[in-house]
Amino acid sequence: KQEVTQIPAALSVPEGENLVLNCSFTDSAIYNLQWFRQDPGKGLTSLLLIQSSQREQTSGRLNASLDKSSGRSTLYIAASQPGDSATYLCGETSGSRLTFGEGTQLTVNP
Amino acid sequence: GAVVSQHPSRVICKSGTSVKIECRSLDFQATTMFWYRQFPKQSLMLMATSNEGSKATYEQGVEKDKFLINHASLTLSTLTVTSAHPEDSSFYICSAADGPGQPQHFGDGTRLSIL
Repeated sequence: KQEVTQIPAALSVPEGENLVLNCSFTDSAIYNLQWFRQDPGKGLTSLLLIQSSQREQTSGRLNASLDKSSGRSTLYIAASQPGDSATYLCGETSGSRLTFGEGTQLTVNP
Repeated sequence: GAVVSQHPSRVICKSGTSVKIECRSLDFQATTMFWYRQFPKQSLMLMATSNEGSKATYEQGVEKDKFLINHASLTLSTLTVTSAHPEDSSFYICSAADGPGQPQHFGDGTRLSIL
């Protein structure tokens, strides 16, 4: 059974700081890996999707990497802003099943 | 593109009531839809997977008679919580994909509160 772990569970940083969120998974036979953002009381917004054949994806200030051999993915956020405050979830897809980590709650302080 | 609409966004009702939640894919055909449940400060837990025109596949521990899922068309799936009780109060989120292994697109969730 695939297990997905995210570290840290919570992170508080000052505005402008660069930061890294970590995600690890136990089964390297993944189809793709996604990073999502969830605001309180809301659904999930997909940020980046990395196919199993890719090593990274970039969108604006966000960069996600994937290392299947080590079972790890990272989400790099550059020049963080208060509007980035949210819970960030990683999820890996094996077949048609999406397994989520517990999330990292990010607070960016002005 | 790839918009999923879920409603209602919030439901408050008395114990014993049955509640229906709708999940619609607005601009693509969703061959597969998923229903998740999320407890406070926890991640999403998959409840069931439904394919258009066939019976839903429920995860272990999810009562199929309690949580009725219908996926009658390629754009609509419904989740009915039958005879809801306070312990059913939770945040329910649906997602839709247009093929096996394709990215899932999520609705905004439904906050269900049973008094």
